[in-house]
Amino acid sequence: EPEVTQTPSHQVTQMGQEVILRCVPISNHLYFYWYRQILGQKVEFLVSFYNNEISEKSEIFDDQFSVERPDGSNFTLKIRSTKLEDSAMYFCASSRDLGLADNEQFFGPGTRLTVL
Amino acid sequence: AQSVSQHNHHVILSEAASLELGCNYSYGGTVNLFWYVQYPGQHLQLLLKYFSGDPLVKGIKGFEAEFIKSKFSFNLRKPSVQWSDTAEYFCAVNEKNRDDKIIFGKGTRLHILP
Repeated sequence: EPEVTQTPSHQVTQMGQEVILRCVPISNHLYFYWYRQILGQKVEFLVSFYNNEISEKSEIFDDQFSVERPDGSNFTLKIRSTKLEDSAMYFCASSRDLGLADNEQFFGPGTRLTVL
Repeated sequence: AQSVSQHNHHVILSEAASLELGCNYSYGGTVNLFWYVQYPGQHLQLLLKYFSGDPLVKGIKGFEAEFIKSKFSFNLRKPSVQWSDTAEYFCAVNEKNRDDKIIFGKGTRLHILP
């Protein structure tokens, strides 16, 4: 069964450094998402992406964040200058095309980001 | 504003006990409803979903949930829990017929005593 994959599984970085989290969505999916879960808190939406542009973003997704689909298979989340409060589990998700109603989002296993 | 409320933050049960986890949502439009489970050290997995039709939805591992539109509720149930059901459970909602962001509740941590 196809699944969303994410790398790395755990990333440790120093405050102020740039990080890139990588996701490979399911191959025939066209909608892509990033969510995050700070330890002990709920899963929060960050951004959705379709047709090579951002569809929607939350207030969390400020200028320090960016997303890209560089090569038709990967979907990346970049944090330009990490802060301590960016430490969280980051989940990528994907879903099929707009023509199908009630699309399910499939989640990846997550990348645990630790900012020191 | 869209929101999902889960009534219990932490539930402790013995094996074979019955389970009901409450979930209420606040959303302006027509919704899809989900329950996700996160086992210790693992990623989010879809337990069950409601898109339309029979408001009593059956999911994996013997779980079910009932959508009561008049109460804006989508409570999760299981008649007899097992130790392996120890996990965190998230109720979630998104807007129907859109590839829309999912709004999650804060989660209920379920601990089953062997």
